[in-house]
Amino acid sequence: AQSVTQLGSHVSVSEGALVLLRCNYSSSVPPYLFWYVQYPNQGLQLLLKYTTGATLVKGINGFEAEFKKSETSFHLTKPSAHMSDAAEYFCAVSPNAGKSTFGDGTTLTVKP
Amino acid sequence: EADIYQTPRYLVIGTGKKITLECSQTMGHDKMYWYQQDPGMELHLIHYSYGVNSTEKGDLSSESTVSRIRTEHFPLTLESARPSHTSQYLCASSESTSGGAGELFFGEGSRLTVL
Repeated sequence: AQSVTQLGSHVSVSEGALVLLRCNYSSSVPPYLFWYVQYPNQGLQLLLKYTTGATLVKGINGFEAEFKKSETSFHLTKPSAHMSDAAEYFCAVSPNAGKSTFGDGTTLTVKP
Repeated sequence: EADIYQTPRYLVIGTGKKITLECSQTMGHDKMYWYQQDPGMELHLIHYSYGVNSTEKGDLSSESTVSRIRTEHFPLTLESARPSHTSQYLCASSESTSGGAGELFFGEGSRLTVL
């Protein structure tokens, strides 16, 4: 069985500030990990994914995430927030590319 | 660019009506999924299919049913809608295990309101 915990249902940052969205997971097998973004009235869109290999993965729109096995974490970061980053963000885990389990989501607000 | 389409995008109906939410993908993916997304944003898997004539219930119990007669088509049906069915329904697809990491490609969603 697998699970995902996203710490903080709401995160607010100022434009230009660092974005840090936290995700911890549990999985009985080596996981595949994902971050998705959802803009209002739309479906989810893949930001980035970790499967194997390099633990620091880069995604679209300047986001990146680091897989830390010892901490069972996959936190999402972006050095400088932009107004267009305001959205809902979901972390997900998939054991060996099977069914995905999603976290509860984090709403990111970017203040001007 | 993902090619997965859902119709209708928005639907307001009365209690007791039968509705079908359509989902089609043009990527040739074997796996397809229906998620229910509550206003608080959580996604719950309600149905999935790993191929034609294969359907399974997901983690969240749902009164809806699905069918998979063609690879590209995965409709969801509610025989008698109730206000408790008011939600957003998201359809998604993914490649088979050997062909990818299991990332999901989502449609834009169908927002259902039952009065």
